[in-house]
Amino acid sequence: GAVVSQHPSRVICKSGTSVKIECRSLDFQATTMFWYRQFPKQSLMLMATSNEGSKATYEQGVEKDKFLINHASLTLSTLTVTSAHPEDSSFYICSAEGQGGNTIYFGEGSWLTVV
Amino acid sequence: EDQVTQSPEALRLQEGESSSLNCSYTVSGLRGLFWYRQDPGKGPEFLFTLYSAGEEKEKERLKATLTKKESFLHITAPKPEDSATYLCAVYGTSYDKVIFGPGTSLSVIP
Repeated sequence: GAVVSQHPSRVICKSGTSVKIECRSLDFQATTMFWYRQFPKQSLMLMATSNEGSKATYEQGVEKDKFLINHASLTLSTLTVTSAHPEDSSFYICSAEGQGGNTIYFGEGSWLTVV
Repeated sequence: EDQVTQSPEALRLQEGESSSLNCSYTVSGLRGLFWYRQDPGKGPEFLFTLYSAGEEKEKERLKATLTKKESFLHITAPKPEDSATYLCAVYGTSYDKVIFGPGTSLSVIP
């Protein structure tokens, strides 16, 4: 079945540095990918919708200059957390829309810890 | 605006004790309603997609049903390995994005 891969699964970075998280659809082309953030014991909060070849659409309250999203190909979207701060520490999850928009598949998530 | 709520927030069952989880939604145009299972520290695992009222889908001990306002996830004779958070999500036409409910945390006690 369709698989979405996220990398890295865990990353620790120093405050003020930037970190990139990759999201790949492994056996299908995804024109639309979604990025979510999840705090402990809470549901997924949509950050942005990423469309291949165009600028991402950010949800209200999400800083687009801080969370840079690039969807350069039909199988890869990246989220870059710039000038990270400890409050950015969270679980980040990507998802990709399967062909026909019938199903949304999720990656395994990436734990970001900013120290 | 599209909204999704889930109940109960948490559910504790004895092994073999069947029950149902509820997902209530409001959306102007439904492209799909999804059920996911999420284990701690992991991404959501896809279970079902439902598209129209009256539709039902089954997988092992799970059965999902859909009406115009809500969806149920029925769990028959659950086992401890069914313990997880179950998430409901709606993909609407008005906002072209997936909205998640808060989830139901299920614990199945041996």
